[in-house]
Amino acid sequence: AQSVTQLDSQVPVFEEAPVELRCNYSSSVSVYLFWYVQYPNQGLQLLLKYLSGSTLVKGINGFEAEFNKSQTSFHLRKPSVHISDTAEYFCAVSDGYNQGGKLIFGQGTELSVKP
Amino acid sequence: DAGVIQSPRHEVTEMGQEVTLRCKPISGHNSLFWYRQTMMRGLELLIYFNNNVPIDDSGMPEDRFSAKMPNASFSTLKIQPSEPRDSAVYFCASSFFYNEQFFGPGTRLTVL
Repeated sequence: AQSVTQLDSQVPVFEEAPVELRCNYSSSVSVYLFWYVQYPNQGLQLLLKYLSGSTLVKGINGFEAEFNKSQTSFHLRKPSVHISDTAEYFCAVSDGYNQGGKLIFGQGTELSVKP
Repeated sequence: DAGVIQSPRHEVTEMGQEVTLRCKPISGHNSLFWYRQTMMRGLELLIYFNNNVPIDDSGMPEDRFSAKMPNASFSTLKIQPSEPRDSAVYFCASSFFYNEQFFGPGTRLTVL
């Protein structure tokens, strides 16, 4: 069975500092990987996705993630964060066809950007 | 282009009452997902449909919960009777085949 582990439940960081949110997954098949962001009192919004091809994926708002198959990781990074990046971030995995698009979500990482 | 539409946005009801949450997926999408989010349990998948057919309802917590998708543009999640522990934010999401899911704004349910 697939699973997703987000290694940090909370990440405090100062504005303009770099940040990395860690995500590890387990799966016996090829996977699709996603990062979503949830701002307070809103639904989840897609940040970026990895389906195939280049292992470095760029998303919205200056975020990027790198797929590492050997380490089964998909860590999210941003070189310089803003106050507006304060939100909860979810990593998710799917094996696409076999699960009909079903996503397995991690428990979320709360990013808190301080001035 | 309208995203996923959910109604109502907020619902306050008393224990024992029937609650119906509604969702209109993005036009052309063929998969629909219902999630529940709480502080304690995080984001849980309750049920999902492909081409209006329920595929996996193993996340539905009890028989009090039921979901239907009578056509490609409408789905409901019903709780009868409701209990205080059902209080949560309920999200609907839709996707086209196996691509990313698009989430609605959610319905915040409070059962007193």
